[in-house]
Amino acid sequence: EVQLLESGGGLVQPGGSLRLSCAASGFTFANYAMTWVRQAPGRGLEWVSGISGSGGTTHYADSVKGRFTISRDNSKNTLYLQMNRLRAEDTAVYYCAKPPPAYTYSFPHFDYWGQGTLVTVAS
Amino acid sequence: EIVLTQSPGTLSLSPGERAALSCRANQSVSNTYLAWYQQRPGQAPRLLIYGVSSRATGIPDRFSGSGSGTDFTLTISRLEPEDFAVYYCQHYDSSPPMCSFGQGTKLEIK
Repeated sequence: EVQLLESGGGLVQPGGSLRLSCAASGFTFANYAMTWVRQAPGRGLEWVSGISGSGGTTHYADSVKGRFTISRDNSKNTLYLQMNRLRAEDTAVYYCAKPPPAYTYSFPHFDYWGQGTLVTVAS
Repeated sequence: EIVLTQSPGTLSLSPGERAALSCRANQSVSNTYLAWYQQRPGQAPRLLIYGVSSRATGIPDRFSGSGSGTDFTLTISRLEPEDFAVYYCQHYDSSPPMCSFGQGTKLEIK
């Protein structure tokens, strides 16, 4: 059974940093690109970042480019999101999500999602 | 950049009725990369439709997707109580790789 379990959320001051983790199980993690999607309270979904199966290629939304870094450790089946210079508008539930089988380099849609971890940026 | 606009913002219907949710793109998109999700309160999104019209695993056949170019529709043929939720369309652009979501349509019980 595929499982994605996010952790690392919490309250952080503006300008601070936080690292999110997503522990994956039930599939061959290294064979899949992975992504982070966020949802501000009461708002819609926003794609944040994606990474290829090997970790060699990364992509970011303009809203986080230069502040967030996506990475993965395939030996630990874990996806990460390092978030620096956080702003109030980064407050959201952050989901990790995986594409269907055979998508190692792209993420056209997402068949499994974690339950999310809440990040609150406030003083 | 592809911008997806969903309409209506809120749709009020009764169980048993038919729902048609619209997703319009600001430019023509590849049919391969248009998906729909359902999100119930407090839950993660659930994939319903991918590639415009292919149902995801385990999705009932009352859900169907259609459209091409810039206009896409998610149709729910006969609403069940569990279908009242928020629905999002999503597009993937391969160059450069990135995703965009519509702002969502809330389907509520009338």
